Amino acid sequence: AQSVTQPDIHITVSEGASLELRCNYSYGATPYLFWYVQSPGQGLQLLLKYFSGDTLVQGIKGFEAEFKRSQSSFNLRKPSVHWSDAAEYFCAVGADRGSTLGRLYFGRGTQLTVWP
Amino acid sequence: GAVVSQHPSRVICKSGTSVKIECRSLDFQATTMFWYRQFPKKSLMLMATSNEGSKATYEQGVEKDKFLINHASLTLSTLTVTSAHPEDSSFYICSALTGTGNTIYFGEGSWLTVV
Repeated sequence: AQSVTQPDIHITVSEGASLELRCNYSYGATPYLFWYVQSPGQGLQLLLKYFSGDTLVQGIKGFEAEFKRSQSSFNLRKPSVHWSDAAEYFCAVGADRGSTLGRLYFGRGTQLTVWP
Repeated sequence: GAVVSQHPSRVICKSGTSVKIECRSLDFQATTMFWYRQFPKKSLMLMATSNEGSKATYEQGVEKDKFLINHASLTLSTLTVTSAHPEDSSFYICSALTGTGNTIYFGEGSWLTVV
């Protein structure tokens, strides 16, 4: 069965510093991978996704992620964090294709705090 | 861009009553929608896949009779929590898959509090 591990529950960085959020997945084949961001009490916003092709994926708000099959990882990065990036970040894996692509399995999330 | 809307955003109901949450795709047709539940400071748990015109497919461990899902049109899926109890209090989020089948949009979520 597929699963997602986000090892870091909480990360604190200073504004302007670089950021890397870790995500490891477990799935037998090539998964579909997603990163979402959630502000308190809100829904989810898609940052980026990987289906196939180039393993370095560019997303919105200056985020990028790299798919590394050998490490079963899909870490999210940003070169310079802004205070508005403070939120909860979720990595998700989708094992299905077609009409049930939306069956996603989420990691427990990483809470990002940004110091001014 | 595509938008998925949920209503109500917050609802309080008494124990033993039923409450309905709507999930609408506002500018695209969604033959498939998905319902998740999120406990405070926890991850999202997939509950079920809502299929337009057919029965929902529930994930293992989710009570079908407790969480009724109806997908009556290409833009609307509803989740009804029946005979609600305080332990059903949670944040419920839906998502919808676009017609091209490669983009998933999430709703804003609905807070349910059962008192």
